[in-house]
Amino acid sequence: QQPVQSPQAVILREGEDAVINCSSSKALYSVHWYRQKHGEAPVFLMILLKGGEQKGHEKISASFNEKKQQSSLYLTASQLSYSGTYFCGTENDNAGNMLTFGGGTRLMVKP
Amino acid sequence: DAMVIQNPRYQVTQFGKPVTLSCSQTLNHNVMYWYQQKSSQAPKLLFHYYDKDFNNEADTPDNFQSRRPNTSFCFLDIRSPGLGDAAMYLCATSIGTGDYEQYFGPGTRLTVT
Repeated sequence: QQPVQSPQAVILREGEDAVINCSSSKALYSVHWYRQKHGEAPVFLMILLKGGEQKGHEKISASFNEKKQQSSLYLTASQLSYSGTYFCGTENDNAGNMLTFGGGTRLMVKP
Repeated sequence: DAMVIQNPRYQVTQFGKPVTLSCSQTLNHNVMYWYQQKSSQAPKLLFHYYDKDFNNEADTPDNFQSRRPNTSFCFLDIRSPGLGDAAMYLCATSIGTGDYEQYFGPGTRLTVT
């Protein structure tokens, strides 16, 4: 079942922060985050494997709450280059399951 | 640079005319995936290969087939394209399934006339 992402879209000014959420109705083993710019392939940001794990990537970090079956992506001091659509992909067990991607969050950063 | 290459980048085919999309990789990854992505939607997995083992998603139409003749190449065959098959088709690779990062190619945009 497809994870639910919120918000569906967000517009920021450069330097502002944003949070993107990803929720699943099933128990999660891992959460993957990708960013896709218009007309381009999705690009990997990070994987979170354990409940409560937080990871960072430049000014982009994420948390994974296994108990709540959700993950959040944090973008701080946003830059123009952060614009794009962010997808979470969820894996539901530890048997090499495939990813199911959420519907995406479209982020636009304006000068 | 190691990468995932898809050809062609744009493909126009006629309703019902078979079409083949290709993907190659220089990463020597075990797993190759095909995703369908329609406008403003999430990528939807069609099938994947783990080495030579083919794995079809339950809801992938029979109209879609795939071949992986060797580690480097994977093909997506659409036997009788319908208007609803117009989409971006993304190929991706990974070392293994589940916990591993997927590397995506630039995609092939398919138009059906």
